[in-house]
Amino acid sequence: AQRVTQPEKLLSVFKGAPVELKCNYSYSGSPELFWYVQYSRQRLQLLLRHISRESIKGFTADLNKGETSFHLKKPFAQEEDSAMYYCALSGGQGGSEKLVFGKGTKLTVNP
Amino acid sequence: GAVVSQHPSRVICKSGTSVKIECRSLDFQATTMFWYRQFPKQSLMLMATSNEGSKATYEQGVEKDKFLINHASLTLSTLTVTSAHPEDSSFYICSARGVRGLGEQYFGPGTRLTVT
Repeated sequence: AQRVTQPEKLLSVFKGAPVELKCNYSYSGSPELFWYVQYSRQRLQLLLRHISRESIKGFTADLNKGETSFHLKKPFAQEEDSAMYYCALSGGQGGSEKLVFGKGTKLTVNP
Repeated sequence: GAVVSQHPSRVICKSGTSVKIECRSLDFQATTMFWYRQFPKQSLMLMATSNEGSKATYEQGVEKDKFLINHASLTLSTLTVTSAHPEDSSFYICSARGVRGLGEQYFGPGTRLTVT
């Protein structure tokens, strides 16, 4: 069964501190992993996808198949990073196109 | 690009009535649209997957006769909540997956349904 686990419901850091939002997944094939972000009163939007291997707003995420993890990292958090972050998985090529979401982590960056 | 709209953004209806929510992809064609439900302070729960021109695929536990989904064109999908009850009150979100792309979904702003 497909499952995404975000162990931290809440995460609070100070501005300028490093931040890591954890995500572990369970999937038998080769999944596609995504990070979505939802700022206050805004719609859910794509932040990162693992196959692009890109850095967006200073965030990076590396897929670790051995540890079945896709943690989101940023070396220096900013106040505007405060938001709800969701890790999501889809079945990849040949697999199910639907997204399975984790429960989300609320990140608060304090001044 | 890749903008998805929903209408209405907020609706209040009486128990027993039906409500239709529209989801449109504004600048791209969406072969597949998805309908989610989000309870307060919780994650998104997928209700159904809608493919243009075919019947929707519902997730386990979602009543297809209660939540009618129509995907008549490549830019429009509708969700009709029939005979609404207070427990149907929720935030309904749609997303669309483009013909091209890397599998990502683009989300609408959501519709707040309140059934009185």
